[in-house]
Amino acid sequence: GQQVMQIPQYQHVQEGEDFTTYCNSSTTLSNIQWYKQRPGGHPVFLIQLVKSGEVKKQKRLTFQFGEAKKNSSLHITATQTTDVGTYFCAGMEYGNKLVFGAGTILRVKS
Amino acid sequence: ETGVTQSPTHLIKTRGQQVTLRCSSQSGHNTVSWYQQALGQGPQFIFQYYREEENGRGNFPPRFSGLQFPNYSSELNVNALELDDSALYLCASSLSGGAQETQYFGPGTRLLVL
Repeated sequence: GQQVMQIPQYQHVQEGEDFTTYCNSSTTLSNIQWYKQRPGGHPVFLIQLVKSGEVKKQKRLTFQFGEAKKNSSLHITATQTTDVGTYFCAGMEYGNKLVFGAGTILRVKS
Repeated sequence: ETGVTQSPTHLIKTRGQQVTLRCSSQSGHNTVSWYQQALGQGPQFIFQYYREEENGRGNFPPRFSGLQFPNYSSELNVNALELDDSALYLCASSLSGGAQETQYFGPGTRLLVL
């Protein structure tokens, strides 16, 4: 079945440094979604990418979807303490089953 | 907030018992998906309900079952609880369950099986 792998598992950065998490799927995806989960909270939808090669920005966050629609990345510029949490990618095959990666835990030192 | 509510917030059960978790979807949404999130892992898809019918299922045994009601709220039932069933159970509602629909997650129910 479909697998979604996410790296790194954990990253600890100094406030102001950049952060990137990468997501790879074993199969071609119809779309990829990114979520953020704060400690003790639930996943909160950030964005969805649908088109091959798509790039979207939300303030300091940049999301990319690969040309082959099998990989994606989330880049945060100049991290802040409010960016702390676990970032999940979730891939949707051509159906309705959303498959989540294991997530990347981001810690920010102030 | 997403408008998706779940109850109860926390629950403690013993092995072999049965549990029912509830989810109210966001207004206007007719699709509810259930996920299990074990500690330190990403959510795992259990199943989805669309207009009261099961509309896709993940790799979970039959003792995980569900219902969706005419008002589109939903229940997740787990029979013969096992220790490994301890997890955060999330429901997510979406407008119509299509592949490009955004899913809005509720706060989850934390289940501990002793």
